[in-house]
Amino acid sequence: DTAVSQTPKYLVTQMGNDKSIKCEQNLGHDTMYWYKQDSKKFLKIMFSYNNKELIINETVPNRFSPKSPDKAHLNLHINSLELGDSAVYFCASSLGATRQETQYFGPGTRLLVL
Amino acid sequence: AQSVTQLGSHVSVSEGALVLLRCNYSSSVPPYLFWYVQYPNQGLQLLLKYTSAATLVKGINGFEAEFKKSETSFHLTKPSAHMSDAAEYFCAVSQNSGNTPLVFGKGTRLSVIA
Repeated sequence: DTAVSQTPKYLVTQMGNDKSIKCEQNLGHDTMYWYKQDSKKFLKIMFSYNNKELIINETVPNRFSPKSPDKAHLNLHINSLELGDSAVYFCASSLGATRQETQYFGPGTRLLVL
Repeated sequence: AQSVTQLGSHVSVSEGALVLLRCNYSSSVPPYLFWYVQYPNQGLQLLLKYTSAATLVKGINGFEAEFKKSETSFHLTKPSAHMSDAAEYFCAVSQNSGNTPLVFGKGTRLSVIA
């Protein structure tokens, strides 16, 4: 069974559209994350949730809205997509929110905005 | 503020040769340090981590890293490269206090030549 799964794997859409990416983990972890990896492979945290509560919210446009319906799921909704949103988005999870925790990453969602 | 610098965006070695990937960190408090590997079109996977125990840390696939406080370094090594080691490698730092996120370096792409 996949530990951290994301859907869809690929997403191609037009500028201005709204889209969602779903993430699920079956590891029993309390903490989940969203990262953005740009075309130069630079990886940056966007959000982090611990027990469904938002604990990290980096400087991300408010067009991006995470939602955690339960501890096992963290979805990312993006409104009014822009060309610069094209990237690979990774979901990750960890047992807790302490700094030494290993983060387990999903396979990524490759978003292309045309 | 914490940060990580990975020297060399691309390292190329011959199969069987020593692998050395460099990572220097900056942190105002004792850090936790991680090395992650990303194979093509996949998510990140933990290779090893330093959490203030032994300074020489052994990881998966024959990799190890040594924490050197005096040099603020955490270089990754492997005695003998294998073709399957070709991937992107990320060093990351996390402060062991506060609600700060994991900060990744820009990555080093390792190529292994037959």
